Amino acid sequence: DSGVTQTPKHLITATGQRVTLRCSPRSGDLSVYWYQQSLDQGLQFLIQYYNGEERAKGNILERFSAQQFPDLHSELNLSSLELGDSALYFCASSVGQVDTDTQYFGPGTRLTVL
Amino acid sequence: GENVEQHPSTLSVQEGDSAVIKCTYSDSASNYFPWYKQELGKGPQLIIDIRSNVGEKKDQRIAVTLNKTAKHFSLHITETQPEDSAVYFCAAATSGSARQLTFGSGTQLTVLP
Repeated sequence: DSGVTQTPKHLITATGQRVTLRCSPRSGDLSVYWYQQSLDQGLQFLIQYYNGEERAKGNILERFSAQQFPDLHSELNLSSLELGDSALYFCASSVGQVDTDTQYFGPGTRLTVL
Repeated sequence: GENVEQHPSTLSVQEGDSAVIKCTYSDSASNYFPWYKQELGKGPQLIIDIRSNVGEKKDQRIAVTLNKTAKHFSLHITETQPEDSAVYFCAAATSGSARQLTFGSGTQLTVLP
């Protein structure tokens, strides 16, 4: 167990809908990362937050957004869902110190868009 | 941006044999190289990592080597056991405030009893 928690574990929804995925980082970690894992694209970085502020953006669609709250948990919002958004979404956390950062991954949320 | 290539995509070994997975990276500024193991239905689990100021690192049956000149790094697993069967991912990242990982495409390792 990495100490990173994600809810829900599974999510089934329809095209055009909006969903919110939640992540709680390990105790003491200030950085949260979101990754998408799909069969055709592999594991891809989406976005990073550090202590409530956006730090870096990767291949994140405009329909997707995220935030990190004062208690350091993070939410990833996916809107206007398409079939191709079906994937595993992982959250990872790290202490946030530049030279010692090791990312620990949560168990993921499996999103199925029908 | 960074590009990480990983080979082979599948690897089958007999229990007790060694397994080697290789990765190359494109960005010479990358200086952090973790390896993750992902079992079915679970998130990636860090098994070992190496930073660019070190050429080799070992942890029991697992070792990683890094060749900065050639821009490649490898994972070595000795005395493989059936529980080593999983998908292994290499990754690379650069220093700085944003340490997003760029992952390889993964290697499905099967250890045959």
